[in-house]
Amino acid sequence: AQRVTQPEKLLSVFKGAPVELKCNYSYSGSPELFWYVQYSRQRLQLLLRHISRESIKGFTADLNKGETSFHLKKPFAQEEDSAMYYCALGTFGNEKLTFGTGTRLTIIP
Amino acid sequence: DVKVTQSSRYLVKRTGEKVFLECVQDMDHENMFWYRQDPGLGLRLIYFSYDVKMKEKGDIPEGYSVSREKKERFSLILESASTNQTSMYLCASSPPGRGGSNQPQHFGDGTRLSIL
Repeated sequence: AQRVTQPEKLLSVFKGAPVELKCNYSYSGSPELFWYVQYSRQRLQLLLRHISRESIKGFTADLNKGETSFHLKKPFAQEEDSAMYYCALGTFGNEKLTFGTGTRLTIIP
Repeated sequence: DVKVTQSSRYLVKRTGEKVFLECVQDMDHENMFWYRQDPGLGLRLIYFSYDVKMKEKGDIPEGYSVSREKKERFSLILESASTNQTSMYLCASSPPGRGGSNQPQHFGDGTRLSIL
């Protein structure tokens, strides 16, 4: 069965410092990976997906099939990045996503 | 912009009551989902529907049922509410995947349900 692991429940980073939120997955096929974000008092929303290869709000994530990882990175943290972040795995031919347990990111001014 | 609307932001019910949570989407999406969101446990899928009157159990369906009589509406039903069903409930919708790939899900604001 597929699984998503986000090892850090909480992560605190100083403003201006680099950010890395870890995500590892287990799936034997070709995965689709997503990062979702939930800001305070807002709905959960898509941040980025690996097939788009975009940088959204300065965040990037690269799919590493060898390490089965999809870590989210940003070179310089901003206070508005404080939020809950979820990594999610999609599998071929399956409409459902498997979510990780989430990482709460706090940016320290 | 996709709009997923959940009927209540906050709901307080008593143990043993039958509880209905409603969700409506306006983008003609085939897929709709109900999740529980609990601290430390992330999002767990309760039920999924891929078409009208079609449903599939998720990871934690016990104590819940669903109804999808119209494409835009997906209801979650707690048959006999219990205190361990106190949680945040999220509804989501998505179009069907293309060529086997997944489409992003669009979420509602959530319903915070308390069972006393």
